[in-house]
Amino acid sequence: QKEVEQNSGPLSVPEGAIASLNCTYSDRGSQSFFWYRQYSGKSPELIMFIYSNGDKEDGRFTAQLNKASQYVSLLIRDSQPSDSATYLCAVYNFNKFYFGSGTKLNVKP
Amino acid sequence: GAGVSQTPSNKVTEKGKYVELRCDPISGHTALYWYRQSLGQGPEFLIYFQGTGAADDSGLPNDRFFAVRPEGSVSTLKIQRTERGDSAVYLCASSAPRGELAGGPDTGELFFGEGSRLTVL
Repeated sequence: QKEVEQNSGPLSVPEGAIASLNCTYSDRGSQSFFWYRQYSGKSPELIMFIYSNGDKEDGRFTAQLNKASQYVSLLIRDSQPSDSATYLCAVYNFNKFYFGSGTKLNVKP
Repeated sequence: GAGVSQTPSNKVTEKGKYVELRCDPISGHTALYWYRQSLGQGPEFLIYFQGTGAADDSGLPNDRFFAVRPEGSVSTLKIQRTERGDSAVYLCASSAPRGELAGGPDTGELFFGEGSRLTVL
């Protein structure tokens, strides 16, 4: 079983819609959770992190964490074509960051 | 420099050759990570340094892979007797000391370099 699971997609949404990206993790002791965005041929860049159960909002992005269900999600409101990228979920546990394989998001104009 | 710097950006080598990949982390970042990313996959953990020592090298796939960080700053990933399966993008990332989990200024996030693309022919 992989540490972090994501649907590979692609997830296609029209411009202006809400994109919902999901991630599950296997280790209940995981401490913190990160969403990275990776454009093709580029390195990952941090979008958001979350430590506590519930929602955390930053501009158009909302991260949601449910530790009981071992589930993390990222909502992107008012999706833009520039949001088209691969979104990587990362889980921090005992000094290591475990990454999912990423969900590819396509935002259609 | 302001960010994590990796050299070379591209390396093409022949099967069986030795390669070195260099990473210069953000100044002041004590934690340094090496990851490997294959096409369509997420970054795969290789090794983690805290200061000069390899705190966790459990991700190194075999003894052909070795990494050093002798002065607690620049790190070199060394691959001996390269194989075609070693072809990937090797990502280096650094991290500041972690603050409180409640979300202090040091979140422990990883700052990635642009990667070294290794192609083994």
